[in-house]
Amino acid sequence: QQQVKQSPQSLIVQKGGISIINCAYENTAFDYFPWYQQFPGKGPALLIAIRPDVSEKKEGRFTISFNKSAKQFSLHIMDSQPGDSATYFCAATKRGSTLGRLYFGRGTQLTVWP
Amino acid sequence: NAGVTQTPKFRVLKTGQSMTLLCAQDMNHEYMYWYRQDPGMGLRLIHYSVGEGTTAKGEVPDGYNVSRLKKQNFLLGLESAAPSQTSVYFCASSYRGGYSNQPQHFGDGTRLSIL
Repeated sequence: QQQVKQSPQSLIVQKGGISIINCAYENTAFDYFPWYQQFPGKGPALLIAIRPDVSEKKEGRFTISFNKSAKQFSLHIMDSQPGDSATYFCAATKRGSTLGRLYFGRGTQLTVWP
Repeated sequence: NAGVTQTPKFRVLKTGQSMTLLCAQDMNHEYMYWYRQDPGMGLRLIHYSVGEGTTAKGEVPDGYNVSRLKKQNFLLGLESAAPSQTSVYFCASSYRGGYSNQPQHFGDGTRLSIL
């Protein structure tokens, strides 16, 4: 059973446009939601993260929107650039857990055309 | 600052052969993880360790074994490789869980093909 569902699988955006990636979860025990960015040939790296006590977190051109009642969260990339072309993974975890396990979505391959 | 280092970077095996993937981290992290990444499947947890000498099964542990004899190293073994194990393998480490200001740090992966 997939704990975190991510869509779309791939996304093509023109330079300067807005990229939007959506994720949904079922487990209400999750209380930390990071996004990881992965460039070809590299491992994923933490991009931005949010806790459910806030509805939005912004870091530069990257914004996470969080809807606790709908159990959904999304990544918005404003003014998308070719350098943003990468695979993005949403994830979820329960901070109090001793396992520290991250449950990942299946990823979205973003291509930004110049 | 090396972070998480995986060796080898590429490997081709024949069905039935065995091999060990090595992960080393220099950040004094307690937790270490092995994932596999397949197209359209995201990152799936194979095994993990919450400290030296301890290991546990993740989501897809069958066909793999692990050992954590030293805090900085986490080894992933394939005893009898199968074509279904063709994948990109990632090792990650974190101080505790992958949350808050203690994210999981990933290596650059090992690309394994099994013929």
